[in-house]
Amino acid sequence: GQNIDQPTEMTATEGAIVQINCTYQTSGFNGLFWYQQHAGEAPTFLSYNVLDGLEEKGRFSSFLSRSKGYSYLLLKELQMKDSASYLCAVHGSSNTGKLIFGQGTTLQVKP
Amino acid sequence: EAQVTQNPRYLITVTGKKLTVTCSQNMNHEYMSWYRQDPGLGLRQIYYSMNVEVTDKGDVPEGYKVSRKEKRNFPLILESPSPNQTSLYFCASSLDGTDTQYFGPGTRLTVL
Repeated sequence: GQNIDQPTEMTATEGAIVQINCTYQTSGFNGLFWYQQHAGEAPTFLSYNVLDGLEEKGRFSSFLSRSKGYSYLLLKELQMKDSASYLCAVHGSSNTGKLIFGQGTTLQVKP
Repeated sequence: EAQVTQNPRYLITVTGKKLTVTCSQNMNHEYMSWYRQDPGLGLRQIYYSMNVEVTDKGDVPEGYKVSRKEKRNFPLILESPSPNQTSLYFCASSLDGTDTQYFGPGTRLTVL
């Protein structure tokens, strides 16, 4: 079957660093996306990992280990506006373009 | 501005009354998809389209229809809505299905 696991909720302090983990078991793998979603709004693209390793983009970094079925999103210098849900999604098939989403991790940033 | 638009943004309707949610993109993307988002279940794919006149079922297609007569539009049709279709719906598009998907603003549907 297809399964993507993320923690449901996390809390962190403004200015700190937080790591959101994602583990996956899917029948196919063509890449892993991270999206940010504020309550009631559309998901917006953060990062895309196809190969193993770390991709850095400003305050956000994403890591992938295909052999372990594992990814994380690292957020540095947290700001209040980073309070949102973070969605891990596996691109399971290049034939269908299908994205398999985890349930999302709701991050609350406190002053 | 490159974007995906959906209409309506909010809709309250009654069981059995046919409705259509429109989706349009101006990025000349070949791939379009519909998702529904429910608490505790995440985003689930309803239907997708790899190109004009090519559509296929996603994970939860029951009770929905789609059409892709032109590249920019991908309407979602509920022939006989039921309360279990109350949800937040997102349309998304990407260049060819292998790259980043861009999401519309969402349509919050309530079926009474």
